[in-house]
Amino acid sequence: DAKTTQPPSMDCAEGRAANLPCNHSTISGNEYVYWYRQIHSQGPQYIIHGLKNNETNEMASLIITEDRKSSTLILPHATLRDTAVYYCIVRLNTGNQFYFGTGTSLTVIP
Amino acid sequence: SQTIHQWPATLVQPVGSPLSLECTVEGTSNPNLYWYRQAAGRGLQLLFYSVGIGQISSEVPQNLSASRPQDRQFILSSKKLLLSDSGFYLCAWNLEAPTEAFFGQGTRLTVV
Repeated sequence: DAKTTQPPSMDCAEGRAANLPCNHSTISGNEYVYWYRQIHSQGPQYIIHGLKNNETNEMASLIITEDRKSSTLILPHATLRDTAVYYCIVRLNTGNQFYFGTGTSLTVIP
Repeated sequence: SQTIHQWPATLVQPVGSPLSLECTVEGTSNPNLYWYRQAAGRGLQLLFYSVGIGQISSEVPQNLSASRPQDRQFILSSKKLLLSDSGFYLCAWNLEAPTEAFFGQGTRLTVV
């Protein structure tokens, strides 16, 4: 079962930073936070994951609060191709399954 | 590098007909394998996962079954399709946690 809560939709102006929030208030100490995105009619694409510390890669940054009960995915300079549904997932570091919630539909506006 | 193949990309099947969707992974050994389904406008629902040959765990009761005859092959089947089986079916793989999962491009199944 999904253990995360995300807003159903968001808009972002092209070129601006997109900040996508996720609540995971019941997260336990050994659960990771993962972010995926899905462009219409394609398979989900991995973006980033983290445990405690903030993480950054070529696609995005992940900011995890100190109490780990929420996180924010940041797309620093959103483009039209970033329009997609973004999923936040928590997963045990000893478990294998990924349980997806309903995600946030991000629309980047020209 | 690792790749995942899933076919066919689209499929239209009559109610009551059988189903076989195949997924194969290349470039890795002993992956965990998964089948997900996505109904129109909905999120992804985990259907089955497998940690090894012949080992299948079902997440939800349904009209479908899965099999893993080889290490890197995962098959989704049904003996008689229902209208409610329509959806977007995705295969995925990963190694042990905390590695990420990689998804195929999906099969869009329409049962008519």
